[in-house]
Amino acid sequence: KAGVTQTPRYLIKTRGQQVTLSCSPISGHRSVSWYQQTPGQGLQFLFEYFSETQRNKGNFPGRFSGRQFSNSRSEMNVSTLELGDSALYLCASHLGGGRETQYFGPGTRLLVL
Amino acid sequence: SQQGEEDPQALSIQEGENATMNCSYKTSINNLQWYRQNSGRGLVHLILIRSNEREKHSGRLRVTLDTSKKSSSLLITASRAADTASYFCATDFTGNQFYFGTGTSLTVIP
Repeated sequence: KAGVTQTPRYLIKTRGQQVTLSCSPISGHRSVSWYQQTPGQGLQFLFEYFSETQRNKGNFPGRFSGRQFSNSRSEMNVSTLELGDSALYLCASHLGGGRETQYFGPGTRLLVL
Repeated sequence: SQQGEEDPQALSIQEGENATMNCSYKTSINNLQWYRQNSGRGLVHLILIRSNEREKHSGRLRVTLDTSKKSSSLLITASRAADTASYFCATDFTGNQFYFGTGTSLTVIP
């Protein structure tokens, strides 16, 4: 099976812009989670989608949003970008039943100037 | 915060030696997982240990879990230069929301 894919891999934006990141899970996986990784804060959970519904949410401002499509592909959107949003954004998928291994994509590295 | 914490933050060893990393967490969990991350890339799943298990092996990896102490350890035996990476533990207490520790950066010197 193909692994989790994320596009784009690299992105440069300026403050105030918005960005959309995409994640395609492993075939058959219905859950997609998003994480932000920065050197200072480590890996932080953003949100999890299951069957097109947000099932869990981390402690991030409303500028961070996401959605999931019927084919389980997920997008994450960040509006009004700030310098502090520069990070590696990782998505992970699993079957969705809970208590399972997550499989991570290679990440999208976002730089906000 | 439910976030786990790894200890030590950084570890440097010679090739062939064993490496031990520890993870502590704060609340009851369903399972605990260990992941490896090579510089700036995605995380690779190493091993999952359930809350009712005490020890698990996978190749050169040995993981222990002590739920009474809320801690886990990852042992990599006979380390290789290719083991150089950051290692994270992840805990789930809701079943679908995972919390990652801060990571241990392992350097294996050839």
